[in-house]
Amino acid sequence: EDQVTQSPEALRLQEGESSSLNCSYTVSGLRGLFWYRQDPGKGPEFLFTLYSAGEEKEKERLKATLTKKESFLHITAPKPEDSATYLCAVQAYETSGSRLTFGEGTQLTVNP
Amino acid sequence: DTAVSQTPKYLVTQMGNDKSIKCEQNLGHDTMYWYKQDSKKFLKIMFSYNNKELIINETVPNRFSPKSPDKAHLNLHINSLELGDSAVYFCASSQDYGNQPQHFGDGTRLSIL
Repeated sequence: EDQVTQSPEALRLQEGESSSLNCSYTVSGLRGLFWYRQDPGKGPEFLFTLYSAGEEKEKERLKATLTKKESFLHITAPKPEDSATYLCAVQAYETSGSRLTFGEGTQLTVNP
Repeated sequence: DTAVSQTPKYLVTQMGNDKSIKCEQNLGHDTMYWYKQDSKKFLKIMFSYNNKELIINETVPNRFSPKSPDKAHLNLHINSLELGDSAVYFCASSQDYGNQPQHFGDGTRLSIL
């Protein structure tokens, strides 16, 4: 069974204090790893897809990386508007359709 | 302009009632989904349709019945609501049932009294 574990559960940063969020996964054959951002009262907003180990994607202050066992979401010089819950999800080749298995998320708070 | 829209945003009802949630996407996608997010914020897939055909049906009580009148719409009907059905239900869509990203609506918060 596919599993996704995110750490830490919650993270408080000062504005400008860079850090990383972790997503560890177990999947039979990785078809894709997805990062989403979720604001309170909203649906998950797509950020990145990573398909193979060694791949990296960047968007503004966010950079996602992928190994065979985990993915990191690096946040450089965060701002208060980066505060949100960040969700990681995996899709496996052997599961039917395009099922995503989500982790429980990391709640990020960036203080001014 | 909204890509994936759900109605209603909030639904408060009594145990035992029957209710429906509607979802529409204007992205031209072929595949649509229903997810349930529980109180711990854990998102879990319930159903997936591709071109009106059911392709994922997780272990969900048969009180939950999805209906796809066309590929832009996927509605969720729930019979005999129970306290444990209280959650936020999200609709999503993707271009196809491959590894394209899924785009989510803003959810329907269902509260059972």
